[in-house]
Amino acid sequence: SQQGEEDPQALSIQEGENATMNCSYKTSINNLQWYRQNSGRGLVHLILIRSNEREKHSGRLRVTLDTSKKSSSLLITASRAADTASYFCATDGPSAGGTSYGKLTFGQGTILTVHP
Amino acid sequence: DGGITQSPKYLFRKEGQNVTLSCEQNLNHDAMYWYRQDPGQGLRLIYYSQIVNDFQKGDIAEGYSVSREKKESFPLTVTSAQKNPTAFYLCASSQYETGYNEQFFGPGTRLTVL
Repeated sequence: SQQGEEDPQALSIQEGENATMNCSYKTSINNLQWYRQNSGRGLVHLILIRSNEREKHSGRLRVTLDTSKKSSSLLITASRAADTASYFCATDGPSAGGTSYGKLTFGQGTILTVHP
Repeated sequence: DGGITQSPKYLFRKEGQNVTLSCEQNLNHDAMYWYRQDPGQGLRLIYYSQIVNDFQKGDIAEGYSVSREKKESFPLTVTSAQKNPTAFYLCASSQYETGYNEQFFGPGTRLTVL
């Protein structure tokens, strides 16, 4: 079942602007991860945030997690044309006091287009 | 170079044929996964393996089979029972630990049924 749902489905911005993508999920989680996929390629891991964390930064990326609302957001600041890709959230869970053995459930993705 | 390789990059199958997609990793990861991606969609889990000689069905296992005889290898067979096999197939691996299980992905195999 698809736990993560992303919003918007597509986002088009100009270079230099910020891009914000949102992800909602339905059950409790161990962690939430964001991945990037360039067209026709494999996914690349961007950032992981654990269920007991609220915010995490990595370079131009900022991820927030609100477990009470079961939602996360990915912010890309000062976007570049090279950021054009699909972005997916993935949840590890539901948490049941034990390991999920690494299984992730992926959302449908947000297609980001950054115009030069 | 550490990573995951998938072959072939493109694969064409006639209806009624079985085909096998290769996935190899040299990251020394215990866990490996197969996903299917349809156009404009997210990834759906087909099978996963936590350890050699063990594997479990994912959400859409019907019409697929796997084996895990070696830690480095996790081939996926798309059988003739899979009614709509045309898709992009992605293999991944991870060294999962509680709280941290980043997955590393291969470049994918695009399968087309003729």
